[in-house]
Amino acid sequence: AQSVTQLDSQVPVFEEAPVELRCNYSSSVSVYLFWYVQYPNQGLQLLLKYLSGSTLVKGINGFEAEFNKSQTSFHLRKPSVHISDTAEYFCAVSVYFGNEKLTFGTGTRLTIIP
Amino acid sequence: DTEVTQTPKHLVMGMTNKKSLKCEQHMGHRAMYWYKQKAKKPPELMFVYSYEKLSINESVPSRFSPECPNSSLLNLHLHALQPEDSALYLCASSQERLAGVINEQFFGPGTRLTVL
Repeated sequence: AQSVTQLDSQVPVFEEAPVELRCNYSSSVSVYLFWYVQYPNQGLQLLLKYLSGSTLVKGINGFEAEFNKSQTSFHLRKPSVHISDTAEYFCAVSVYFGNEKLTFGTGTRLTIIP
Repeated sequence: DTEVTQTPKHLVMGMTNKKSLKCEQHMGHRAMYWYKQKAKKPPELMFVYSYEKLSINESVPSRFSPECPNSSLLNLHLHALQPEDSALYLCASSQERLAGVINEQFFGPGTRLTVL
């Protein structure tokens, strides 16, 4: 079975500062990795995904993530955050076979300080 | 149209009521999902439908009854719920289930359910 660990439950960051949200996964088989964002009182929106190929993945809203197989990590980064980035961020994993099941991490609450 | 819609947005019901949640997509997706999300927790998968057939039931209590009348519509029928069932219920859809093919799940905005 696969699992996802998001090490930080809350991350406060000053506006225009860089941010990194950490995600580590565990799986005995090949996986696909995702980052989703959830704004208050809304559903989830896909930020980016890693399927294969280049380990640096660029997503929407200026976010990017780097897949590191040796460290089983998929950390999310943004060089300069904006107030509108305040949201809950979920890392998720799906196995290669049986792609219907997404396993989510516990989430990281990103708060931008003006 | 890249949207998943859910109705109602909010629902308050008593423990003896029967109600239904509705989810609709017009993206031609053949896989649809129900998730339950408690406050400050990640979404938890409840059911998966693939080509209008139930393919996964994550040991959900029978007071939750899913239904997929056609490829665009997914319902969740609720009966005799408990206060601990209060949560945000999210619907999602994706293109189809194929081994080795990853398909992004598109989420709706959710229905916030309160059981009194």
